This record gives sequence, structure tokens and C-alpha cells, in this order.
Amino acid sequence: QSALTQPASVSGSPGQSITISCTGTSSDVGSYNLVSWYQHHPGKAPKLMIYEGSKRPSGVSNRFSGSKSGNTASLTISGLQAEDEADYYCCSYAGSSTFDVLFGGGTKLTVL
Amino acid sequence: EVQLVESGGGLVQPGGSLRLSCAASGFTFSDHYMDWVRQAPGKGLEWVGRTRNKANSYTTEYAASVKGRFTISRDDSKNSLYLQMNSLKTEDTAVYYCAIETAATFAYWGQGTLVTVSS
Repeated sequence: QSALTQPASVSGSPGQSITISCTGTSSDVGSYNLVSWYQHHPGKAPKLMIYEGSKRPSGVSNRFSGSKSGNTASLTISGLQAEDEADYYCCSYAGSSTFDVLFGGGTKLTVL
Repeated sequence: EVQLVESGGGLVQPGGSLRLSCAASGFTFSDHYMDWVRQAPGKGLEWVGRTRNKANSYTTEYAASVKGRFTISRDDSKNSLYLQMNSLKTEDTAVYYCAIETAATFAYWGQGTLVTVSS
């Protein structure tokens, strides 16, 4: 199965909002409410930011939000801060035929 | 505090073998599914495979890219997860992370261990 499709890079100025898209298919993103998003600073452990499409784990800022429409999931970060600069990955369950988990290719967020 | 600490990475020749370990603490290890995820240099994250818990018979699944070459196991008495990697290829070069999985969501990750496959 192919990886989920994310833009390679996005950028925004402090205080602005940005949205990162994650496009899959009707077999993965479109079929299950099991999309998650991870923030990854190089050299560190990835951090869960959003799960089940739109839920935030305890301790994650409410500036981070998730949504889904059809086969595309989205991560929105509002009120951009310098520390938000990182790589972001989406992830989706790929169905009970394989039980696979698919990741997106990752999006580099630059805070200008 | 949940902690996952990977070890066992290093340099290995193509065709060789390596065994990674992940030491877990701060949670009830035996209750959880555990996974390995990797990141090749300059690339994105790639799911490697999982082992379910005892209640689900410790069943395992693998990504197509490693099936038949990699084996995931666990020792609940030692709170440890393992990844046995055989017939290694240069494309297996990556940082390998262990992670706690619940319904295809990875709540906690280790810091990773680097595996380099090169002659």
C-alpha cells in the first residue's frame, strides 16, 4: 500500500494559522476514524498531537486541531509559535485485510 | 512516567542480522500492543510491525517490506520488546523506534536506535 500524501513543506509567520493536508484513499483515511498526527523534532521522539481524527491528548495545546473530509485529513495549527517548527506526520489505519498502518511522507513546517 | 529505551543498533553488512531491544517502564507493558516504526535518512516514518498482547495471543503483523525477514517478539516478564532483523538490506538503514500502539495510534515513542546496513 502507498504512503499517505502530504505537502513536503508549509510555512507561516508567528501568530498565523496553517493547515497540513493528508490524502489517502477510501480504503484507509476515508473508511476509518483512526487518523493521528505526530510532531517530530529531529533527533527526538515523535509526539502524538491528534488522534481519532480530531481528539487532543492531555497536555497538547488547543492551538492544534484535526479534521477529516472524505479521503483527506487535515491538521490546523493556529497562533503559530517558533517551537511549532518541526516535521509533522499523519497516520491512518489501513484496514483489517492487512492490519497495516500507513504514514504520510511528512511535512516540514517552517515558522518564518 | 512512560519510558521506552531502544538499544542494539549499529553497523552491519548486507545480508547480516541484528537484534534490537526496547526496554519499557512506567506502564503495564503486558496490557499493550507494541510496534516498531522506522525512519530512513531523509525519509518519512514507516511502520514496521506490531505484536499484540497476551489477551490477543501475541499475534504479529509486518509491513510487506520486512515480512519474512524481521520478527517481533516480547518478554512481558522483562517488560521488553525485540526486533530480530535478518537478511538485512541497505534500504533497511534507518532509525528504529519502538512505540505503544492503541488502535493504530502511537501514544508514546522511544528516542530510537540507528541501524546502518553497509559494506
